[in-house]
Amino acid sequence: GIQVEQSPPDLILQEGANSTLRCNFSDSVNNLQWFHQNPWGQLINLFYIPSGTKQNGRLSATTVATERYSLLYISSSQTTDSGVYFCAVEDNYGQNFVFGPGTRLSVLP
Amino acid sequence: DAGVTQSPTHLIKTRGQQVTLRCSPKSGHDTVSWYQQALGQGPQFIFQYYEEEERQRGNFPDRFSGHQFPNYSSELNVNALLLGDSALYLCASSLDRGRRGGTQYFGPGTRLTVL
Repeated sequence: GIQVEQSPPDLILQEGANSTLRCNFSDSVNNLQWFHQNPWGQLINLFYIPSGTKQNGRLSATTVATERYSLLYISSSQTTDSGVYFCAVEDNYGQNFVFGPGTRLSVLP
Repeated sequence: DAGVTQSPTHLIKTRGQQVTLRCSPKSGHDTVSWYQQALGQGPQFIFQYYEEEERQRGNFPDRFSGHQFPNYSSELNVNALLLGDSALYLCASSLDRGRRGGTQYFGPGTRLTVL
């Protein structure tokens, strides 16, 4: 099945800093989503982005499907950005949604 | 517009017991997927229901079963609970539109503790 890797596994930032999170996947994808999991466990949709670039406020994402990676950019980070960021993909065969191991982000005041 | 809801929020069971978790999808969605998230790990796919049938299944034993009702809500049943079944169980819904790849929206989860 499709493999998903995320880097870095952990990231500590000062408030106001920018960061880039990466997601690599091993096969063509039909669906790619970025999620933020808050401390209470809720998975919050950030982007549905199987290809191309999207922006939403301080967050933006780019997926280069031909090279099998996606990037999540967080600018001017805030303490409320802390949590775990997951990339999840569904391959072109419609198989199950596979999550990466996540990047744990801590934003310090 | 109600999002995905799950019940109960927390549950404590003992080994060998059976448990049923419930999920109501986001309004207008027809597909429900269930995931298990162990502490410190990413969610793992259990199975997906569409048109009241199990369409896909992950690498989980038959102790895990489910059901989807005509109103698209769904249940996850786990029999003969093991300590290792302790986890956050997440439900996600999406709109199939006759094709795969729809955006998935997640509920708040049910935290199951097996003693």
